[in-house]
Amino acid sequence: AQSVTQLDSQVPVFEEAPVELRCNYSSSVSVYLFWYVQYPNQGLQLLLKYLSGSTLVKSINGFEAEFNKSQTSFHLRKPSVHISDTAEYFCAVTPAGGGKLIFGQGTELSVKP
Amino acid sequence: DAGVIQSPRHEVTEMGQEVTLRCKPISGHNSLFWYRQTMMRGLELLIYFNNNVPIDDSGMPEDRFSAKMPNASFSTLKIQPSEPRDSAVYFCASTARHEAFFGQGTRLTVV
Repeated sequence: AQSVTQLDSQVPVFEEAPVELRCNYSSSVSVYLFWYVQYPNQGLQLLLKYLSGSTLVKSINGFEAEFNKSQTSFHLRKPSVHISDTAEYFCAVTPAGGGKLIFGQGTELSVKP
Repeated sequence: DAGVIQSPRHEVTEMGQEVTLRCKPISGHNSLFWYRQTMMRGLELLIYFNNNVPIDDSGMPEDRFSAKMPNASFSTLKIQPSEPRDSAVYFCASTARHEAFFGQGTRLTVV
């Protein structure tokens, strides 16, 4: 079985500061990893994903995440955040061969002016 | 494509009543997931289907919950009888190429 742990439930940060949202996973098989974002009163949207290849993956709006197999981590980073990045962020894992898509508890990112 | 469509968006019902939540996945997607989101428990996977067949329902909390997928374009999640602790936002998601597309959710309030 797979599990995901997001180490921070809330992350307050000032605008234009860097941010890191932490995610660790547990699995006995190869996995695919994802970050989703949820804005208030909306469903989740895919931010970025790691399937294979380069361990550093990037989104179109400046976020990036690095897959670290030895540390079983997939932390999300952004060098300079905007007010509009305020949202809840979810890390997720699924077996590479298909199956359940399991989410972490979420991290609420709050960007202040 | 209109995306994953869930109905109703909001449902308020009295304890003991039957509630049916509906989901229309994106055409061509072969997997469908039902999730429940609450402040206390976060995003819980209830059940998922692959090619209309239920694969894993271990997350369904009780026998009061049931889900069906009679064809590739429609799924329901039913709660009978409903209880106040079932109050939550219920999401449906369908997947293609390892990406899950979520509906807007149904906010269920059981009073």
